[in-house]
Amino acid sequence: GAVVSQHPSWVICKSGTSVKIECRSLDFQATTMFWYRQFPKQSLMLMATSNEGSKATYEQGVEKDKFLINHASLTLSTLTVTSAHPEDSSFYICSARNRAGGAHEQYFGPGTRLTVT
Amino acid sequence: DAKTTQPPSMDCAEGRAANLPCNHSTISGNEYVYWYRQIHSQGPQYIIHGLKNNETNEMASLIITEDRKSSTLILPHATLRDTAVYYCIVRVRNAGNMLTFGGGTRLMVKP
Repeated sequence: GAVVSQHPSWVICKSGTSVKIECRSLDFQATTMFWYRQFPKQSLMLMATSNEGSKATYEQGVEKDKFLINHASLTLSTLTVTSAHPEDSSFYICSARNRAGGAHEQYFGPGTRLTVT
Repeated sequence: DAKTTQPPSMDCAEGRAANLPCNHSTISGNEYVYWYRQIHSQGPQYIIHGLKNNETNEMASLIITEDRKSSTLILPHATLRDTAVYYCIVRVRNAGNMLTFGGGTRLMVKP
């Protein structure tokens, strides 16, 4: 089945630094990738939608200059958290939409846990 | 996408069937019912989806009422590994947009 990977699976960084999270579709081409954020005991909240080769579309309240998204190829999207602060500590999950369609269209990565100290 | 309502939590005995309900009374004719689950600290996992007929796969069964206003996800023989948050999502298939997650149902399978 379709597999989406994320790297790293967890990261600890100091306040003020930047962190890059990669999302890869391993065996399919993804025209669209979605980035979600999940705080403890809460549901997933969409942060942004990225289409290959174009600028990401951010949800209301998500700072595009803080959460930089690049979707340079059909198999890779990156999320960079710039100048991270402790309140950015969260579980970040990407999902990828199979260009070829498929039974349920979207496949989720395993998530990246970010802790900012 | 139509809004869904699920109980916040449920318990189930190991080996017994787990029946998770979902109300979607405002569902449109072209909207499918999708179920995902999220085991702690992992990404969501697709379970099953359907339009109006009941569906079954190796993981679960999906029963959709005739008026399509509600559905039930059935895990026939729940195991401890089925402990997770289960999300019922209603959306147009192949719409290309994101999945909108509600609160889901936290299923606790107990020995």
